[in-house]
Amino acid sequence: DAKTTQPTSMDCAEGRAANLPCNHSTISGNEYVYWYRQIHSQGPQYIIHGLKNNETNEMASLIITEDRKSSTLILPHATLRDTAVYYCIVSGNAGNNRKLIWGLGTSLAVNP
Amino acid sequence: GAGVSQSPRYKVAKRGQDVALRCDPISGHVSLFWYQQALGQGPEFLTYFQNEAQLDKSGLPSDRFFAERPEGSVSTLKIQRTQQEDSAVYLCASSPTSGPYTRSNQPQHFGDGTRLSIL
Repeated sequence: DAKTTQPTSMDCAEGRAANLPCNHSTISGNEYVYWYRQIHSQGPQYIIHGLKNNETNEMASLIITEDRKSSTLILPHATLRDTAVYYCIVSGNAGNNRKLIWGLGTSLAVNP
Repeated sequence: GAGVSQSPRYKVAKRGQDVALRCDPISGHVSLFWYQQALGQGPEFLTYFQNEAQLDKSGLPSDRFFAERPEGSVSTLKIQRTQQEDSAVYLCASSPTSGPYTRSNQPQHFGDGTRLSIL
């Protein structure tokens, strides 16, 4: 079973920030939080990951709460091309723990 | 290109036929993963290789599924005596890291998958 809980769907206006929440209350100390997205008919695309500090890259920002039980992915200026299913995953960094266990994700619709 | 390449992109087979799906990982990537994605679902883990060693095959749904990576680069997922429930997208991912001592865990990079339809 997936170790994360996400809303089924969200809407966002083009040009506004999209904030996608994720709960991972059973995360263990050596597990990372990963975010991927999947656009229709394509493979999953890596967005960002973190352990306990907030992270930022050219695609997004990741805010992890101090207790690490939840996180938020922020797309600062959403475009129509950001419409996709967004998956939040927790995974370890050793051997079999590195396999990704996926939930159903959040279907984000960016509207003009 | 520099990404993970999977072939064929689409495969249609009759029930009972054998199929072979190919994955070319990113050059130099040590770890390779196979996932199965049913329509409307998230991917599900099938198996994991570190170089040529298959370290985890716990997700393979039956003994009809077999994966190999004989030289530690290209991998093949084979399905024997296909059934209709095998219809899905099969995704391959690769990653440069292995083992427990990496300081910053590297993500998995995915191909666009093979869409398998069993008639």
